[in-house]
Amino acid sequence: GENVEQHPSTLSVQEGDSAVIKCTYSDSASNYFPWYKQELGKRPQLIIDIRSNVGEKKDQRIAVTLNKTAKHFSLHITETQPEDSAVYFCAASRGDYKLSFGAGTTVTVRA
Amino acid sequence: DAGVIQSPRHEVTEMGQEVTLRCKPISGHDYLFWYRQTMMRGLELLIYFNNNVPIDDSGMPEDRFSAKMPNASFSTLKIQPSEPRDSAVYFCASSREGSPLHFGNGTRLTVT
Repeated sequence: GENVEQHPSTLSVQEGDSAVIKCTYSDSASNYFPWYKQELGKRPQLIIDIRSNVGEKKDQRIAVTLNKTAKHFSLHITETQPEDSAVYFCAASRGDYKLSFGAGTTVTVRA
Repeated sequence: DAGVIQSPRHEVTEMGQEVTLRCKPISGHDYLFWYRQTMMRGLELLIYFNNNVPIDDSGMPEDRFSAKMPNASFSTLKIQPSEPRDSAVYFCASSREGSPLHFGNGTRLTVT
């Protein structure tokens, strides 16, 4: 099955700086890569996703890049704000369905 | 839409008791998933259904766990008998083709 590794496990950044989270996947047939944000005590919520026919996607301060050859994808958050503090999960799947999640990255934005 | 609805939000039970978690997926979603989240193991897929039929239950930890989906708007995850190591947050999620996965608010289970 698919194996997704995520790094780093924790990330502390100064407000206004950028944060980068990296994930690798094992199944070369995976073609869907979503990112979820989970605030303390709440459910994971989709923040951005990318499909294998696209190399990069942006949504305001968030961007995701995908390197199919190397089988890795990254989340970039620019101009971080305190409300960006949360646990972020990457995931991968063939199609939209059976997602395999990374272990999560706890992001702390220091004011 | 109200989103994926799970009940109860919290469940505290004693070891050996039966626990039933409930989920109502988003209307029109034909895929339903049960995940378990712990600090040690992260988000684990337990089982998923398509059109009310179980497709993959390879993540179900053991025979104490069972899941059903009697109709398109309702699913249950049952643990019998429960054990302290079952303590976790259990998420139900639903999706359909072309739509991302939407999670419910989860059920926090504590088995003492």
